[in-house]
Amino acid sequence: AQSVTQPDIHITVSEGASLELRCNYSYGATPYLFWYVQSPGQGLQLLLKYFSGDTLVQGIKGFEAEFKRSQSSFNLRKPSVHWSDAAEYFCAVGLYNFNKFYFGSGTKLNVKP
Amino acid sequence: EAQVTQNPRYLITVTGKKLTVTCSQNMNHEYMSWYRQDPGLGLRQIYYSMNVEVTDKGDVPEGYKVSRKEKRNFPLILESPSPNQTSLYFCASSLRGLGSYEQYFGPGTRLTVT
Repeated sequence: AQSVTQPDIHITVSEGASLELRCNYSYGATPYLFWYVQSPGQGLQLLLKYFSGDTLVQGIKGFEAEFKRSQSSFNLRKPSVHWSDAAEYFCAVGLYNFNKFYFGSGTKLNVKP
Repeated sequence: EAQVTQNPRYLITVTGKKLTVTCSQNMNHEYMSWYRQDPGLGLRQIYYSMNVEVTDKGDVPEGYKVSRKEKRNFPLILESPSPNQTSLYFCASSLRGLGSYEQYFGPGTRLTVT
C-alpha cells in the first residue's frame, strides 16, 4: 500500500537547538516530495520540494531536506530553531502517473524558550 | 493578491441537510483539489480536478460531490452530511497536476455535523 510515514507525532526542542523531522514513503518509483508547515489556525505553506537532481534541497525560513533513495526518506532539518517555528509539519508525496497527493499524519513541533 | 478562498470558514449543520463549501482561486491554476484533515490522519484527498469539467476521486470520496464548471471555482458538495464528515476541509490549487507542482492552500473550513 502507498503511504507516507511521519513517525514522530510530537517533538519538543529548545530554542537554538537543531531539528530533524523524519519522513518515509512507500512507493514504487521516486515520487515528488514536499514539506509543508501549518501554523495554528492557518492553511498550509510550502517549505521546500524535491523533484530531481541535488538530493539536498534548501527551502524557506532556513529549512533544508535531504532525499535518500536507499532509505525512502526525505527528512527535514534546521540547524537552529526559533520560537516562531512552533507549528505542525507535513511531509507530502505527489505521484506523476496518478495526479494525486498523499500526506503524512504530521509532526507537531513545540519550541521551549 | 494571489490566493485561494473558501467559504464559509465555519459551519455547523445537522445530519442530512445538504451543504456546499465554495472554493475559488485567482491564479488561473488548472489543478484544484479538496482535502479533509483529521487528528492523527493528516490530510486526505477527497477529489481533484485537472481542469474544467475534469474531476476524479481521491482517497476518501464517499459522501462528497464536486463540480468544475469554471476554471476558478471548485465547490465541494455534501448532499446528506453525516457526523463522520465533521472535519477541517482545505481546498488547494496548483498550476498543473501531475504531482509535481506546489499546491496553494485555502484557509480551511471547519465543519461540524450534529
